[in-house]
Amino acid sequence: AQSVTQLGSHVSVSEGALVLLRCNYSSSVPPYLFWYVQYPNQGLQLLLKYTTGATLVKGINGFEAEFKKSETSFHLTKPSAHMSDAAEYFCAVSASGGYQKVTFGTGTKLQVIP
Amino acid sequence: KAGVTQTPRYLIKTRGQQVTLSCSPISGHRSVSWYQQTPGQGLQFLFEYFSETQRNKGNFPGRFSGRQFSNSRSEMNVSTLELGDSALYLCASSSLQTGRSSTDTQYFGPGTRLTVL
Repeated sequence: AQSVTQLGSHVSVSEGALVLLRCNYSSSVPPYLFWYVQYPNQGLQLLLKYTTGATLVKGINGFEAEFKKSETSFHLTKPSAHMSDAAEYFCAVSASGGYQKVTFGTGTKLQVIP
Repeated sequence: KAGVTQTPRYLIKTRGQQVTLSCSPISGHRSVSWYQQTPGQGLQFLFEYFSETQRNKGNFPGRFSGRQFSNSRSEMNVSTLELGDSALYLCASSSLQTGRSSTDTQYFGPGTRLTVL
């Protein structure tokens, strides 16, 4: 069984401040982890994914996430928020390793305050 | 390179009807996945096709079905529509069957918004 918990359905940050979106996972096997972003009225976009190897994963638009097995976490960060980062972010886990049978978190809406 | 396209973008149906949604993946991509997004249930994986074969299916009733053609285009069908089927249906394609490769990326279409009255 696998599951994802995203802490905070809404997060507000000031422009230029650190973005931290939290994700904790549960998986009976070594997980594959993903972060997606969804802009209003659009489809999803894959930001980054953890497969195996390096635990710090760099993605697009300056985002990165660190896989911490001991904490079962995969938090998403960005050093400096831009107005264009305002969107909904989804963490996801897959035990099979692929995009198939992925389980999504409930999402976190990021608001960036000018 | 053209992105993932989904048709139609919007659809209104009534209960009991059936509907077919179409997805054209990025050229060269052989894996197509479908997802349902609703306010109540969030994002849920529906099924995944690779080289015309359904490889994985999520926890949805048999009313939800799909297929993939030799050109990798995919369709999903929902029969006997229920009010709860109102959702945004997203399609995504990738070049590999799995996301295990660190370099393979999945691309999503804009979705088809289905409203069941």
